[in-house]
Amino acid sequence: NAGVMQNPRHLVRRRGQEARLRCSPMKGHSHVYWYRQLPEEGLKFMVYLQKENIIDESGMPKERFSAEFPKEGPSILRIQQVVRGDSAAYFCASSLLAGLVDTQYFGPGTRLTVL
Amino acid sequence: KNEVEQSPQNLTAQEGEFITINCSYSVGISALHWLQQHPGGGIVSLFMLSSGKKKHGRLIATINIQEKHSSLHITASHPRDSAVYICAVRCPGNQFYFGTGTSLTVIP
Repeated sequence: NAGVMQNPRHLVRRRGQEARLRCSPMKGHSHVYWYRQLPEEGLKFMVYLQKENIIDESGMPKERFSAEFPKEGPSILRIQQVVRGDSAAYFCASSLLAGLVDTQYFGPGTRLTVL
Repeated sequence: KNEVEQSPQNLTAQEGEFITINCSYSVGISALHWLQQHPGGGIVSLFMLSSGKKKHGRLIATINIQEKHSSLHITASHPRDSAVYICAVRCPGNQFYFGTGTSLTVIP
């Protein structure tokens, strides 16, 4: 059973471009979480999704950021018109049940660099 | 003040030593996680606790809900344990809060 997959592992974008980060949860997991780790800072929760639903996006900036977890395919974190401050490591985690009662399994992360 | 505070921030130990990392939180929680982040950046979930104590190999995690405190213990530490250990809490309203991590270095 493959673990949580994220791609790309490294992504370089120029200011104003769009960044798309993909997360494939573990097989059978229907709960996905996105976290951001800014340089020299701790992890911050961004958004929690179930299949086709956003459960909690309280940690996600209101502008330029969006996330989806379609019925088929990976979860996508989309950042429009990137700025230098978006440079960070973005981690995805998945769980079988709601994170309330189940362990989250983390992906290797996508390191976004905005030039 | 952060919702989750960890101590110490940095810790250096000799191989074989018993290590304790502490986590205090100020919010009501539904679960507490201990995570391990390796120098390459990858994150591994070590434990999820809502009460009591859990043990996995040389790792032990305890939580005291009344005191809003958790500890992660490593017995017989080894250089491969060198990593950043992060305490994270999930609140009933789905909010997640993370500590800033404890950087552990185990010297052979």
